[in-house]
Parts: sequence; structure tokens; C-alpha cells
Amino acid sequence: AQRVTQPEKLLSVFKGAPVELKCNYSYSGSPELFWYVQYSRQRLQLLLRHISRESIKGFTADLNKGETSFHLKKPFAQEEDSAMYYCALVYGGATNKLIFGTGTLLAVQP
Amino acid sequence: GAVVSQHPSWVICKSGTSVKIECRSLDFQATTMFWYRQFPKQSLMLMATSNEGSKATYEQGVEKDKFLINHASLTLSTLTVTSAHPEDSSFYICSATQTAYSNQPQHFGDGTRLSIL
Repeated sequence: AQRVTQPEKLLSVFKGAPVELKCNYSYSGSPELFWYVQYSRQRLQLLLRHISRESIKGFTADLNKGETSFHLKKPFAQEEDSAMYYCALVYGGATNKLIFGTGTLLAVQP
Repeated sequence: GAVVSQHPSWVICKSGTSVKIECRSLDFQATTMFWYRQFPKQSLMLMATSNEGSKATYEQGVEKDKFLINHASLTLSTLTVTSAHPEDSSFYICSATQTAYSNQPQHFGDGTRLSIL
């Protein structure tokens, strides 16, 4: 069965330090993966998706099929990056349904 | 662009009443809308998928008679929690996509906090 695992509930780093939010998935088909972010008191919003291979707000994520991972990285954390981050996997074929990981709260200390 | 509005944002009601939550796509036509439930400090759990003009598809374990979903237009879906009880108290979130293609992101509403007394 499909599954998304985010092993860290909380990740605390200092401003300027590198950040890596881990995400592992289990899926029998070809994976489509997203990272969503939720800032304090705001709605969930798309951060990036693997097919775009883009960098948003300095964040990147590379799909590693061998390790079944889609870790989110940023070389230098900023205080405004503090938020809840969810990794999500599309499943169900053409239905576009998402299964979410449990989320990682990133806290960037000044 | 791609704004999803959800209403109400907070509702408190007595046990046994029915509560309707609206989800609207404001600036795009939503082929598909999704309803999620989120318990405190837990992830979003998909409840059902609705496509305009057809019956919703419910996830395993979700009671379709308890959670009625209507998607009558390309910009509006509603979730009605019927005969709500305290265990139905939760945070309900809707999302919408413009197409059914799997690489299209979902756009989320702000959520509705439902408290049943």
C-alpha cells in the first residue's frame, strides 16, 4: 500500500544553517510527489513538485527512486522558513488523490 | 490565482444537528474537489473525492451517509455532516484542482473547525 513517511516531527535549526526535511515513500507505481507548506495561521500551499525540478524560496527536492526518497533541502535557513512542511504522494491513478506524511515542523532560531 | 474559499471557518453546534460546509473555487473551475479531515497534531486524511455532476467517491472507513458531499457546479462543493456528534469534531479542509491530471497541484481552503457540544 502507498505510504509517506516523515520521520521528524520537529526540526530545529539556527538561521543560516542548512536544512533537510526527510520524506520517504512507498508506492508500486511511478511516483508523483509534492511538498506543501503551512505557515502559521495560513492555509496549506504548494511549495514544489518533483516534476518541475524547480527551486522555490531556495528549497529544492530531488526524487531518488532507488532510496524512495524526496527530501526537501535548503542551504541556508531563514527565520521566515519556520512552518509545517508536508510531503505528499499522488496515488489512485488518474484520480489525483494525495496521501500526506505526518508533517515536520521546521523551527528556525535567530 | 487559484484561490479556494471555505465557509464557515468555525462552527459550534449541538449534538444531533447537521452542519454544512462550503468549498468554492473563486477564480478557476474545479474539475475535482477533495475533502480532508485533520485531527490535532496529525496529518490530513482524505475523506472523499468529488467530481462535478457525479457522486463522490469515499475513502475506506468514511461513512457516506454521515458525510454527504455535493458537487453541483464547477465552483462549489459542499460537505454536510449529518446528525453530528462530539466524535465528529475536527478540522475539515477542502481542496480543488483544475484538471484531473495527477501532476496538477491541489489548492486548499483555510479549513473549517467543527466543534460539536
